[in-house]
Amino acid sequence: NAGVTQTPKFQVLKTGQSMTLQCAQDMNHEYMSWYRQDPGMGLRLIHYSVGAGITDQGEVPNGYNVSRSTTEDFPLRLLSAAPSQTSVYFCASSEEGGRGGETQYFGPGTRLLVL
Amino acid sequence: GDSVTQMEGPVTLSEEAFLTINCTYTATGYPSLFWYVQYPGEGLQLLLKATKADDKGSNKGFEATYRKETTSFHLEKGSVQVSDSAVYFCALTLSGGYQKVTFGTGTKLQVIP
Repeated sequence: NAGVTQTPKFQVLKTGQSMTLQCAQDMNHEYMSWYRQDPGMGLRLIHYSVGAGITDQGEVPNGYNVSRSTTEDFPLRLLSAAPSQTSVYFCASSEEGGRGGETQYFGPGTRLLVL
Repeated sequence: GDSVTQMEGPVTLSEEAFLTINCTYTATGYPSLFWYVQYPGEGLQLLLKATKADDKGSNKGFEATYRKETTSFHLEKGSVQVSDSAVYFCALTLSGGYQKVTFGTGTKLQVIP
């Protein structure tokens, strides 16, 4: 199993550009989520999905869109990049979400720089 | 709301020293507690977990005990190695529906030879 994969590993954008961060998992997990990691702030949840066709907002959703058309894929879209979105982005998956002790499996991350 | 508080880092230790990283939490229910580790340039991976009070999680020489009375889940290791240098995150989840994972801010550990 490849686990959770993310592409690209690193990206530089100009303010106002759009892009999609890709995330895929091959563990047949129902729950997938996107986090951003910023110094001194830990990981903050952007969006999550409890299954194909179902998504919801996390604590910092502004400026990001998601969709979940398949169990495997959960792309994150930046419609108009801003410097405040410079961060490291992690995708994670788990079997049934946060029910009583499930382990989150993380991808290797995408480092995004917005100029 | 639910929250996790970790000790500030960075923590610098000599090889073979004893490690403690403090973690306390507040939660409205009965959480499961986790320690995740992030090695340089990588994503987070589970180090250990405990799902109920008084449970002890252990892995790779690390241990943490779920203390309900003090709402704590401190991470300990008796003898650290250079390869333990990483960022350590304490986290919790609540049962009963699809709940997000609440992470602490992370504690960077540097072990010097």
